[in-house]
Amino acid sequence: NAGVTQTPKFRVLKTGQSMTLLCAQDMNHEYMYWYRQDPGMGLRLIHYSVGEGTTAKGEVPDGYNVSRLKKQNFLLGLESAAPSQTSVYFCASSLANQGQPQHFGDGTRLSIL
Amino acid sequence: RKEVEQDPGPFNVPEGATVAFNCTYSNSASQSFFWYRQDCRKEPKLLMSVYSSGNEDGRFTAQLNRASQYISLLIRDSKLSDSATYLCVVNDYKLSFGAGTTVTVRA
Repeated sequence: NAGVTQTPKFRVLKTGQSMTLLCAQDMNHEYMYWYRQDPGMGLRLIHYSVGEGTTAKGEVPDGYNVSRLKKQNFLLGLESAAPSQTSVYFCASSLANQGQPQHFGDGTRLSIL
Repeated sequence: RKEVEQDPGPFNVPEGATVAFNCTYSNSASQSFFWYRQDCRKEPKLLMSVYSSGNEDGRFTAQLNRASQYISLLIRDSKLSDSATYLCVVNDYKLSFGAGTTVTVRA
C-alpha cells in the first residue's frame, strides 16, 4: 500500500518556467490537499479538493493552479515560477474533512532560481 | 493573531526526562485537534488525536482545555528517537497547522 505518492521529489526551475507536481493516493480518499512549508512557518494550504472534479482555494492560492480529474490524482501547477515559490510542497489526503486526520506524501523540494 | 500558535523551542532534554509543551488556538468553535510529528526534511505523520477527555498513547499524553483554548502534549521517559518537531493541528473547516515545537533529546 503506497499511501500518498508525490513526484518529483526534487526540482530546480528558472524564473518563469512552468511545471506540474503530481500527487497520487491509493486509499480511495475523497479529500486531497496541497500545502507549502517554509522555514519557521506552519504548513499553509494552497488548494484543496473535496472530490473528483472539484477544487477550492486555500490560504495561499496565488500563482498556483490545480486539477482533480481523477479521484486518486491531484495536480499542482506553477504557470510561471517565481523565487518566492521556492519551498517544500506536501500533498495530503483524508477520508473526509471534519475530524479526520490527513495522510501526507513525502514532499517535493522545489527551488526557483 | 495566528490561528494556531506554538512555542518553537527548542526543548533540549536528557534521555528519561519528561517534557511538555502547549499550543493555543484562536477559534473557539474548533472541533478536533491533533498532534503530528515531523522529522527533519520529512513529511508530517499523525502522532495522536486529542480528545476532550484527554488521552494517552504509551509515553505520550495529550490534553485539551477548551476554556483556555489550548492543547498540550506531554512526553514521559524521553527517548533519543523522540527528537523531532511536533506540530499542533486544529480542525474547524480546514486543518490549521502550528509552526511546530522542536524537541531534542540528548544522551
